[in-house]
Amino acid sequence: KAGVTQTPRYLIKTRGQQVTLSCSPISGHRSVSWYQQTPGQGLQFLFEYFSETQRNKGNFPGRFSGRQFSNSRSEMNVSTLELGDSALYLCASSYDGGYTFGSGTRLTVV
Amino acid sequence: GESVGLHLPTLSVQEGDNSIINCAYSNSASDYFIWYKQESGKGPQFIIDIRSNMDKRQGQRVTVLLNKTVKHLSLQIAATQPGDSAVYFCADHLSGNTGKLIFGQGTTLQVKP
Repeated sequence: KAGVTQTPRYLIKTRGQQVTLSCSPISGHRSVSWYQQTPGQGLQFLFEYFSETQRNKGNFPGRFSGRQFSNSRSEMNVSTLELGDSALYLCASSYDGGYTFGSGTRLTVV
Repeated sequence: GESVGLHLPTLSVQEGDNSIINCAYSNSASDYFIWYKQESGKGPQFIIDIRSNMDKRQGQRVTVLLNKTVKHLSLQIAATQPGDSAVYFCADHLSGNTGKLIFGQGTTLQVKP
């Protein structure tokens, strides 16, 4: 059974640009959550999607957005990148309460 | 507010010894707790979970204890091995707060050969 797949693994972007990250959940999992991990703030919840609807949202600015497709794959977008957006972005897929994480996308903003 | 804390940022143990990693949570409405292990360059890996209607749960070489009275949980690793070296996180889920886990800051476990 394939795990959670995140692409790309690494990204380098310039301040002001935008970026789109992708997450393919475990087959059959309809819930996808996104997290930002930084050394200073740790793991912080961004948002959660279920059946193409955002069900929950963390305390991040509107520059952070996401969506989910009918096949449960999810994307998150960050617009107008800032240096402080440099982080490991993780997604987790869930079926019945258990949360399985992908390996993340390492975003560096320069 | 809601928060999950770990007592020690770093724990160093001898190979073969038992390890105990502690975590405190603040929200008495939390109903589900998960321990994750994260190795360098990887995402958090599920170790063991426990629901609030339980006090103890055992897995392979791991045990989680939950004390709801003092809002504390611990992860015990028996016969710690070099492969156990990683950062360990506890995470807390609030009933009805879909998809949202509140993570502690993590404890780095170092296993000395």
